[in-house]
Amino acid sequence: SAVISQKPSRDICQRGTSLTIQCQVDSQVTMMFWYRQQPGQSLTLIATANQGSEATYESGFVIDKFPISRPNLTFSTLTVSNMSPEDSSIYLCSVVRDRLTDTQYFGPGTRLTVL
Amino acid sequence: SQQGEEDPQALSIQEGENATMNCSYKTSINNLQWYRQNSGRGLVHLILIRSNEREKHSGRLRVTLDTSKKSSSLLITASRAADTASYFCATGKTSYDKVIFGPGTSLSVIP
Repeated sequence: SAVISQKPSRDICQRGTSLTIQCQVDSQVTMMFWYRQQPGQSLTLIATANQGSEATYESGFVIDKFPISRPNLTFSTLTVSNMSPEDSSIYLCSVVRDRLTDTQYFGPGTRLTVL
Repeated sequence: SQQGEEDPQALSIQEGENATMNCSYKTSINNLQWYRQNSGRGLVHLILIRSNEREKHSGRLRVTLDTSKKSSSLLITASRAADTASYFCATGKTSYDKVIFGPGTSLSVIP
């Protein structure tokens, strides 16, 4: 399995501010994914973070609100910009480690509360 | 949308009983994965089943896949209180790619 860490594990932020979430993987992976889990809900894919190119966003998510960086094959960041209470969620990154298994592994998540 | 649906939304059983959760999806898939999540914590990967497979086992878990009906089921046998969690299915349309989650089933196992 892949070892994935996220920072911070949780945060409480004020409305209108921004928070950058880091995701570190213990080995090189081609694609990393960012998901959001709103309270009591399932996971929704925000975007695919591609190394060396812009992220690919899902319908309903835009780069201005959720800018993503992918500077190398083991690291990615997701920024939640100009936050509102509706952004209170758990944010998770995930990777598919290799083509043989297709298993998608998830980080522990960042629990964000916006006041 | 590729996103499936799961039923039941919530399931409550006595310890020792079997629990069955179902997942349906809308488009063709490459693989389907089942996850467990305890109380808003991280996701634990349970089983991956590919579109050319019909059944897989892992310990007390049994997963079936019926591509003609676009559905899958997760069976937990001899349930334990520690199995209390939310269970999600997630489908991958292609290999080595993103997965889309269903709404999940909340399982409560009563001691």
